[in-house]
Amino acid sequence: GQQVMQIPQYQHVQEGEDFTTYCNSSTTLSNIQWYKQRPGGHPVFLIQLVKSGEVKKQKRLTFQFGEAKKNSSLHITATQTTDVGTYFCAGPGYALNFGKGTSLLVTP
Amino acid sequence: DGGITQSPKYLFRKEGQNVTLSCEQNLNHDAMYWYRQDPGQGLRLIYYSQIVNDFQKGDIAEGYSVSREKKESFPLTVTSAQKNPTAFYLCASSRQNRGAGTNEKLFFGSGTQLSVL
Repeated sequence: GQQVMQIPQYQHVQEGEDFTTYCNSSTTLSNIQWYKQRPGGHPVFLIQLVKSGEVKKQKRLTFQFGEAKKNSSLHITATQTTDVGTYFCAGPGYALNFGKGTSLLVTP
Repeated sequence: DGGITQSPKYLFRKEGQNVTLSCEQNLNHDAMYWYRQDPGQGLRLIYYSQIVNDFQKGDIAEGYSVSREKKESFPLTVTSAQKNPTAFYLCASSRQNRGAGTNEKLFFGSGTQLSVL
């Protein structure tokens, strides 16, 4: 499978601030998926990106796939306490290969 | 209500003991997976199965075994050979991937926390 690296490992923001997590690969990815895991919960699928340069939005969340298909990002505008959790990117393979995740803490 | 059910939610293992984690799905998915989650380590693949009666080792299969006798069930046994079994275990399922690099999205169970006594 194609390994992906995520940064940062942790991010602590004040409610209302923006947040971005980055996912990088040394090889070209055919696609990338993003998941969110709430504290004490299980990962839940957010989105899949397939096309070079693709940008998709889900309310305050913006997902991007790089032109070279080697990186991706998730940006949250004006964070809320409900955004707390760990965000994982996952690269393709015979089974998905998950990054180590970025844990987001939002302080009211 | 369709989904994936993992049981038990919490499990304790004694030294030298084998324990089995249950995973059942009623989503009619062909593929099933077991991941191990340790703090700060993300999700690491233990075993996966693309079809009944077939399964493949993942990145950290040593000390684990699985079976896939029924489409809806994919139990994981943590054997005594697994010296550091304390972790959160997640089972997932998906529609069958169309080929390497074309992964379907995963649906996860609520997990089993395994601890050593």
